[in-house]
Amino acid sequence: QKEVEQNSGPLSVPEGAIASLNCTYSDRGSQSFFWYRQYSGKSPELIMFIYSNGDKEDGRFTAQLNKASQYVSLLIRDSQPSDSATYLCAVTPFSGGYNKLIFGAGTRLAVHP
Amino acid sequence: GAVVSQHPSRVICKSGTSVKIECRSLDFQATTMFWYRQFPKQSLMLMATSNEGSKATYEQGVEKDKFLINHASLTLSTLTVTSAHPEDSSFYICSASTDRGSNEQFFGPGTRLTVL
Repeated sequence: QKEVEQNSGPLSVPEGAIASLNCTYSDRGSQSFFWYRQYSGKSPELIMFIYSNGDKEDGRFTAQLNKASQYVSLLIRDSQPSDSATYLCAVTPFSGGYNKLIFGAGTRLAVHP
Repeated sequence: GAVVSQHPSRVICKSGTSVKIECRSLDFQATTMFWYRQFPKQSLMLMATSNEGSKATYEQGVEKDKFLINHASLTLSTLTVTSAHPEDSSFYICSASTDRGSNEQFFGPGTRLTVL
């Protein structure tokens, strides 16, 4: 079982719709959860992070964490073509040390006009 | 704030040569720096973690004698790919973090290495 799993996609949504990206992780003791966006040929850029169960909102983005289900998601409201990218879920494992991040394989999002 | 630079952004070299990649935190002191490798259409794979002044911790399967990491100061880490071969061609990305409680990593722009 992979430590962090994501559906590779592509997830195709129309402009203006809500895009829902999901991620599951295997280490129950994981402490911090991050969502990064990566455009082709570029390095990842942080969208948001979440530590506690529940929802965290930042502009058009909402991260949702459910530690009991070992599940974290990212909702993108009013999706725009510029949101088309690969979204990487990353988790800090309990025993990682040094703020280590374990990345999922990423979900490719395509927002079409 | 929290800007990380990498140099060079792109390098092409002949098989058997060594290549050095620099990673700098420009406006903060990075207690820890990380080196990742990303092959096309794959996710980031952590290669090693380095702390200033100490030896790097390599992930399983990463050859420490091939990928030399030096973290000489709180703002600079280098990765040297020794005796590079075509299979080492990849996108190398560094990141940096502080010990300020957040686990956030700040990523450099990456270095595209092509070994002929």
